[in-house]
Amino acid sequence: SQQGEEDPQALSIQEGENATMNCSYKTSINNLQWYRQNSGRGLVHLILIRSNEREKHSGRLRVTLDTSKKSSSLLITASRAADTASYFCATDDTGGYNKLIFGAGTRLAVHP
Amino acid sequence: DGGITQSPKYLFRKEGQNVTLSCEQNLNHDAMYWYRQDPGQGLRLIYYSQIVNDFQKGDIAEGYSVSREKKESFPLTVTSAQKNPTAFYLCASRKSGELFFGEGSRLTVL
Repeated sequence: SQQGEEDPQALSIQEGENATMNCSYKTSINNLQWYRQNSGRGLVHLILIRSNEREKHSGRLRVTLDTSKKSSSLLITASRAADTASYFCATDDTGGYNKLIFGAGTRLAVHP
Repeated sequence: DGGITQSPKYLFRKEGQNVTLSCEQNLNHDAMYWYRQDPGQGLRLIYYSQIVNDFQKGDIAEGYSVSREKKESFPLTVTSAQKNPTAFYLCASRKSGELFFGEGSRLTVL
Protein backbone atom coordinates (compact mmCIF):
# COMPACT_ATOMS: atom_id res chain seq x y z
CA SER A 1 0.00 0.00 0.00
CA GLN A 2 1.30 3.48 -0.84
CA GLN A 3 0.82 6.11 1.81
CA GLY A 4 2.38 9.19 0.28
CA GLU A 5 1.67 10.47 -3.20
CA GLU A 6 3.89 13.17 -4.64
CA ASP A 7 2.81 15.85 -7.05
CA PRO A 8 3.92 16.68 -9.67
CA GLN A 9 5.46 13.49 -11.01
CA ALA A 10 8.06 15.52 -12.88
CA LEU A 11 9.24 19.11 -12.64
CA SER A 12 11.62 20.98 -14.95
CA ILE A 13 12.99 24.39 -13.97
CA GLN A 14 15.90 26.74 -14.58
CA GLU A 15 18.74 27.32 -12.16
CA GLY A 16 17.87 29.98 -9.63
CA GLU A 17 14.16 29.23 -9.65
CA ASN A 18 12.33 27.71 -6.71
CA ALA A 19 11.00 24.16 -6.86
CA THR A 20 7.92 23.07 -4.94
CA MET A 21 6.88 19.46 -4.53
CA ASN A 22 3.80 18.24 -2.74
CA CYS A 23 2.97 15.06 -0.88
CA SER A 24 -0.42 13.78 0.22
CA TYR A 25 -1.03 10.87 2.53
CA LYS A 26 -4.00 8.90 3.72
CA THR A 27 -3.79 7.99 7.40
CA SER A 28 -2.61 9.52 10.66
CA ILE A 29 1.14 9.89 10.94
CA ASN A 30 3.78 10.37 13.61
CA ASN A 31 6.10 12.21 11.26
CA LEU A 32 6.82 12.79 7.60
CA GLN A 33 10.21 12.67 5.96
CA TRP A 34 11.67 13.79 2.66
CA TYR A 35 14.44 11.94 0.85
CA ARG A 36 16.48 12.61 -2.25
CA GLN A 37 17.72 10.04 -4.76
CA ASN A 38 20.26 10.67 -7.47
CA SER A 39 19.85 8.42 -10.48
CA GLY A 40 20.89 4.85 -9.74
CA ARG A 41 21.91 5.61 -6.17
CA GLY A 42 20.53 5.07 -2.70
CA LEU A 43 18.25 7.56 -0.98
CA VAL A 44 19.56 10.29 1.26
CA HIS A 45 17.55 11.72 4.14
CA LEU A 46 16.81 15.45 3.82
CA ILE A 47 14.47 16.44 6.61
CA LEU A 48 11.95 15.05 9.12
CA ILE A 49 8.92 16.99 10.33
CA ARG A 50 6.86 15.75 13.25
CA SER A 51 3.08 15.72 13.30
CA ASN A 52 2.98 18.59 15.83
CA GLU A 53 5.21 20.81 13.67
CA ARG A 54 3.93 22.99 10.86
CA GLU A 55 7.14 24.17 9.20
CA LYS A 56 10.80 23.28 9.22
CA HIS A 57 13.86 24.69 7.50
CA SER A 58 17.22 23.21 6.57
CA GLY A 59 19.48 25.34 4.43
CA ARG A 60 17.66 25.96 1.13
CA LEU A 61 14.94 23.49 2.06
CA ARG A 62 11.61 24.43 3.58
CA VAL A 63 9.07 21.78 4.53
CA THR A 64 5.51 22.40 5.61
CA LEU A 65 3.01 19.97 7.06
CA ASP A 66 -0.75 20.34 7.20
CA THR A 67 -2.18 17.40 9.13
CA SER A 68 -5.77 18.60 8.60
CA LYS A 69 -5.29 18.25 4.84
CA LYS A 70 -2.91 15.31 5.16
CA SER A 71 -0.36 17.03 2.98
CA SER A 72 3.19 18.30 3.01
CA SER A 73 5.28 20.40 0.67
CA LEU A 74 9.00 20.61 0.02
CA LEU A 75 10.37 23.90 -1.28
CA ILE A 76 13.88 24.14 -2.66
CA THR A 77 14.90 27.76 -3.04
CA ALA A 78 17.42 29.11 -5.55
CA SER A 79 17.78 25.73 -7.21
CA ARG A 80 21.04 24.50 -8.69
CA ALA A 81 21.80 21.95 -11.39
CA ALA A 82 23.12 19.70 -8.61
CA ASP A 83 19.60 19.56 -7.15
CA THR A 84 18.54 17.41 -10.12
CA ALA A 85 17.26 14.21 -8.53
CA SER A 86 14.10 12.40 -7.48
CA TYR A 87 12.48 13.48 -4.25
CA PHE A 88 10.33 11.20 -2.11
CA CYS A 89 8.15 11.72 0.90
CA ALA A 90 7.80 8.94 3.44
CA THR A 91 5.45 8.47 6.37
CA ASP A 92 5.30 6.19 9.36
CA ASP A 93 2.36 3.86 9.60
CA THR A 94 1.04 4.65 13.09
CA GLY A 95 -0.93 1.43 13.22
CA GLY A 96 1.94 -0.57 11.99
CA TYR A 97 5.22 -1.88 13.22
CA ASN A 98 7.58 1.00 12.59
CA LYS A 99 7.08 0.75 8.85
CA LEU A 100 8.08 3.64 6.61
CA ILE A 101 5.99 3.97 3.45
CA PHE A 102 7.26 5.89 0.42
CA GLY A 103 5.45 7.74 -2.33
CA ALA A 104 6.26 7.47 -6.04
CA GLY A 105 8.44 10.55 -6.03
CA THR A 106 8.89 13.77 -7.99
CA ARG A 107 11.62 13.84 -10.63
CA LEU A 108 13.22 17.28 -10.58
CA ALA A 109 15.38 18.52 -13.45
CA VAL A 110 17.23 21.82 -12.93
CA HIS A 111 18.69 23.22 -16.14
CA PRO A 112 21.76 25.48 -16.15
CA ASP B 1 33.44 4.74 7.68
CA GLY B 2 30.03 3.93 9.08
CA GLY B 3 27.27 3.00 6.70
CA ILE B 4 25.28 0.43 4.80
CA THR B 5 27.06 -1.81 2.33
CA GLN B 6 25.13 -3.67 -0.32
CA SER B 7 26.61 -6.26 -2.64
CA PRO B 8 26.76 -7.04 -5.43
CA LYS B 9 25.98 -3.76 -7.15
CA TYR B 10 24.93 -5.56 -10.33
CA LEU B 11 23.67 -9.12 -10.57
CA PHE B 12 22.42 -11.19 -13.47
CA ARG B 13 20.34 -14.28 -12.92
CA LYS B 14 18.85 -16.94 -15.10
CA GLU B 15 15.20 -17.75 -14.65
CA GLY B 16 14.63 -20.39 -12.02
CA GLN B 17 17.68 -19.47 -9.95
CA ASN B 18 17.67 -18.15 -6.41
CA VAL B 19 19.98 -15.24 -5.65
CA THR B 20 20.98 -13.62 -2.38
CA LEU B 21 21.66 -9.92 -1.97
CA SER B 22 23.92 -8.91 0.87
CA CYS B 23 23.30 -6.00 3.24
CA GLU B 24 25.73 -5.16 6.04
CA GLN B 25 25.68 -2.21 8.43
CA ASN B 26 28.16 -1.00 11.02
CA LEU B 27 25.92 1.73 12.43
CA ASN B 28 24.71 -0.42 15.34
CA HIS B 29 21.10 0.11 14.28
CA ASP B 30 18.46 -2.36 15.40
CA ALA B 31 16.01 -1.90 12.53
CA MET B 32 16.74 -2.90 8.94
CA TYR B 33 14.63 -2.82 5.80
CA TRP B 34 14.54 -4.10 2.22
CA TYR B 35 12.79 -2.11 -0.50
CA ARG B 36 12.23 -2.77 -4.17
CA GLN B 37 12.21 0.03 -6.73
CA ASP B 38 10.96 -0.32 -10.30
CA PRO B 39 11.68 2.28 -13.01
CA GLY B 40 9.80 5.52 -12.45
CA GLN B 41 8.19 4.21 -9.29
CA GLY B 42 8.60 4.65 -5.60
CA LEU B 43 9.93 2.21 -3.06
CA ARG B 44 7.89 -0.81 -2.01
CA LEU B 45 8.63 -2.55 1.26
CA ILE B 46 9.61 -6.21 1.00
CA TYR B 47 10.67 -7.17 4.53
CA TYR B 48 11.77 -5.41 7.68
CA SER B 49 13.38 -6.41 10.93
CA GLN B 50 13.27 -4.60 14.26
CA ILE B 51 15.67 -6.84 16.15
CA VAL B 52 17.86 -9.85 15.67
CA ASN B 53 16.00 -13.10 14.94
CA ASP B 54 12.78 -11.24 14.15
CA PHE B 55 11.44 -9.97 10.84
CA GLN B 56 8.11 -9.01 9.33
CA LYS B 57 6.65 -9.17 5.84
CA GLY B 58 6.15 -5.90 4.02
CA ASP B 59 3.75 -5.21 1.19
CA ILE B 60 5.40 -7.38 -1.47
CA ALA B 61 7.05 -10.27 0.40
CA GLU B 62 5.92 -13.06 -1.93
CA GLY B 63 8.87 -14.70 -3.65
CA TYR B 64 11.41 -13.25 -1.20
CA SER B 65 12.97 -14.48 2.02
CA VAL B 66 15.23 -12.91 4.64
CA SER B 67 17.16 -13.80 7.76
CA ARG B 68 18.44 -11.73 10.67
CA GLU B 69 20.93 -13.86 12.54
CA LYS B 70 23.23 -10.93 13.33
CA LYS B 71 22.50 -7.30 14.07
CA GLU B 72 24.86 -6.21 11.31
CA SER B 73 23.45 -8.38 8.52
CA PHE B 74 20.09 -8.64 6.76
CA PRO B 75 20.44 -10.66 3.54
CA LEU B 76 17.60 -10.90 1.03
CA THR B 77 17.03 -13.98 -1.10
CA VAL B 78 15.10 -13.58 -4.33
CA THR B 79 13.64 -16.98 -5.03
CA SER B 80 12.47 -18.55 -8.27
CA ALA B 81 8.92 -17.99 -7.02
CA GLN B 82 9.31 -14.24 -7.61
CA LYS B 83 7.71 -13.81 -11.02
CA ASN B 84 9.22 -10.47 -11.97
CA PRO B 85 12.46 -10.04 -10.03
CA THR B 86 14.22 -7.57 -12.31
CA ALA B 87 14.45 -4.41 -10.20
CA PHE B 88 16.64 -2.16 -8.08
CA TYR B 89 16.86 -3.38 -4.48
CA LEU B 90 17.62 -1.02 -1.60
CA CYS B 91 18.58 -1.94 1.93
CA ALA B 92 18.33 0.50 4.82
CA SER B 93 18.80 0.71 8.56
CA ARG B 94 17.01 3.07 10.88
CA LYS B 95 17.70 5.21 13.91
CA SER B 96 15.61 8.03 15.40
CA GLY B 97 13.17 7.91 12.54
CA GLU B 98 15.70 8.46 9.78
CA LEU B 99 16.56 5.74 7.27
CA PHE B 100 20.13 5.23 6.12
CA PHE B 101 20.32 3.59 2.69
CA GLY B 102 22.88 1.53 0.88
CA GLU B 103 23.76 2.21 -2.74
CA GLY B 104 21.47 -0.53 -4.02
CA SER B 105 21.76 -3.76 -5.98
CA ARG B 106 20.43 -3.96 -9.51
CA LEU B 107 19.14 -7.44 -10.35
CA THR B 108 18.47 -8.44 -13.95
CA VAL B 109 16.88 -11.73 -14.90
CA LEU B 110 18.00 -13.01 -18.27
